[in-house]
Amino acid sequence: KQEVTQIPAALSVPEGENLVLNCSFTDSAIYNLQWFRQDPGKGLTSLLLIQSSQREQTSGRLNASLDKSSGRSTLYIAASQPGDSATYLCAVSLAGTALIFGKGTTLSVSS
Amino acid sequence: NAGVTQTPKFRVLKTGQSMTLLCAQDMNHEYMYWYRQDPGMGLRLIHYSVGEGTTAKGEVPDGYNVSRLKKQNFLLGLESAAPSQTSVYFCASSYRTGANEQFFGPGTRLTVL
Repeated sequence: KQEVTQIPAALSVPEGENLVLNCSFTDSAIYNLQWFRQDPGKGLTSLLLIQSSQREQTSGRLNASLDKSSGRSTLYIAASQPGDSATYLCAVSLAGTALIFGKGTTLSVSS
Repeated sequence: NAGVTQTPKFRVLKTGQSMTLLCAQDMNHEYMYWYRQDPGMGLRLIHYSVGEGTTAKGEVPDGYNVSRLKKQNFLLGLESAAPSQTSVYFCASSYRTGANEQFFGPGTRLTVL
């Protein structure tokens, strides 16, 4: 059974720091990996989608990498801002159907 | 485009009552999904649909029914609500297979007393 783990569960950093969020999965036979952002009491906003054939994707200050063979992905956030404070969720797609989610990393960026 | 919308946003039920959650998408997506999010459990798939008139069970389908009579709508029904169904429910859609990006609605917060 595919399991997705996110470490750390919570992270606090001062504004301006670069940071890395980690995601690991147990079954490398994935279709893709998606990173989401969730603000308190809100829905999920898709940040980046990496197809299984890709190594990384970039959007603004965000960069996500994927290493299928080792079952790992990282989300790199450059020059963090207080507005980046949220929970970040990693999810993998199997067999062309639904997503399997990690439990998230809650990020707090202080000014 | 409104994207994925969910109705209602909040609801309180008493044990044994029934209700239907509505999900609508205007992106002409084939696939639609219902997830629930619980503290410490993450998001888990309840049911999904790969096209109009089709439905399939996900990880936690017990106590729920679904229907996809129109391509743009996916309904989640609770026939006899239980306190264990207190959760936040999210609907999502994707263009075709799960290899495509999934887009999520804003969620419905349901409390069963």
